[in-house]
Amino acid sequence: GNSVTQMEGPVTLSEEAFLTINCTYTATGYPSLFWYVQYPGEGLQLLLKATKADDKGSNKGFEATYRKETTSFHLEKGSVQVSDSAVYFCALIMFSGGYNKLIFGAGTRLAVHP
Amino acid sequence: DTGVSQDPRHKITKRGQNVTFRCDPISEHNRLYWYRQTLGQGPEFLTYFQNEAQLEKSRLLSDRFSAERPKGSFSTLEIQRTEQGDSAMYLCASSLDSDRRTDTQYFGPGTRLTVL
Repeated sequence: GNSVTQMEGPVTLSEEAFLTINCTYTATGYPSLFWYVQYPGEGLQLLLKATKADDKGSNKGFEATYRKETTSFHLEKGSVQVSDSAVYFCALIMFSGGYNKLIFGAGTRLAVHP
Repeated sequence: DTGVSQDPRHKITKRGQNVTFRCDPISEHNRLYWYRQTLGQGPEFLTYFQNEAQLEKSRLLSDRFSAERPKGSFSTLEIQRTEQGDSAMYLCASSLDSDRRTDTQYFGPGTRLTVL
């Protein structure tokens, strides 16, 4: 079936460190891929997306490239800030029966310390 | 753009009681989704509406759960005879039926249900 696997957290970094959160997927067909972020006490916010192979999504200094050959969509940021502390969810969307169902990974908690 | 809103934000109830949650999607969005998120997990799909029609229900949605979207605007999710296992965050999302490949779901803040 379709699924998303993320690296387990928590990931703990110092401010200005480089961030990578790994995400791999299993899917039939060619899904679109997303990263959502959930700040403490808030709902999910779309961070970035990519809709086809080799596309790079980017937003707020975060980037992820859709790699079809490795079925991956790793999230990266060159210099994290304390305000980036949150839970990050990788997700894919499958077009099935005329609607789009998001399938999420388990989430990776990021804690950034000053 | 007022975003997706959900009400209430928190609900504490006793086992066996009925609860109802409301979701107001972004006004021009015709697609509406419900997801459930348990602690330490990603959201899981529950059900989907296109306008007022409920087109898909997950097997996670037992007979005690019912969802409606009258007139294709707001939606309600009712849980009857709540059980402790129903404790979770219930998330609503909406999207605009434009390009399938770029269709993006926008989430509300969620309703956290605690069943005692």
